[in-house]
Amino acid sequence: DAKTTQPPSMDCAEGRAANLPCNHSTISGNEYVYWYRQIHSQGPQYIIHGLKNNETNEMASLIITEDRKSSTLILPHATLRDTAVYYCTITGTASKLTFGTGTRLQVTL
Amino acid sequence: NAGVMQNPRHLVRRRGQEARLRCSPVKGHSHVYWYRQLPEEGLKFMVYLQKENIIDESGMPKERFSAEFPKEGPSILRIQQVVRGDSAAYFCASSPSSARSGANVLTFGAGSRLTVL
Repeated sequence: DAKTTQPPSMDCAEGRAANLPCNHSTISGNEYVYWYRQIHSQGPQYIIHGLKNNETNEMASLIITEDRKSSTLILPHATLRDTAVYYCTITGTASKLTFGTGTRLQVTL
Repeated sequence: NAGVMQNPRHLVRRRGQEARLRCSPVKGHSHVYWYRQLPEEGLKFMVYLQKENIIDESGMPKERFSAEFPKEGPSILRIQQVVRGDSAAYFCASSPSSARSGANVLTFGAGSRLTVL
């Protein structure tokens, strides 16, 4: 699996957009970008995934650069409940997901 | 529509005992994954199974650990002769048998927390 690089921590004010970057410069053509988050010690929660195009769902938006070497997860209006560790991971079809250390997002009042 | 069910949620064992962790995947999912998370660390892949087959066990310790996913019933992660270093949260995830879109979205359970005294 391709490796990803994320900042270890970020802060965001409640109500503001949280933009979490991820570098995946060695991604191959058939590999998807996935984002998961882990709130405190709960099980990881799927957020969104994409291949080439930008994606949006009820939780977040995913912006993938044209060369696919990096992406940004956007939480449009962060709340205190969005405080979590956010993992960006890359993998191909029906393969295991490998998680790095992620970004610890702290949403503050 | 229940998600991934793991039990027990908490398990305490003394050194040398056996630990058995169970995982029932989302209904209709035939792929199961086990991950381990040590305190204050990230998720580490252990093993990937389909019904009755181990597909990838590259993350499993060579000794004392085994996993199965029988045709009927839950997936089992078994740890024999537990040691203090086995204390961790063990997460199970499942995914559908086919991925038409090419993506493979995992649904995780709440985890089983093993404490070895």
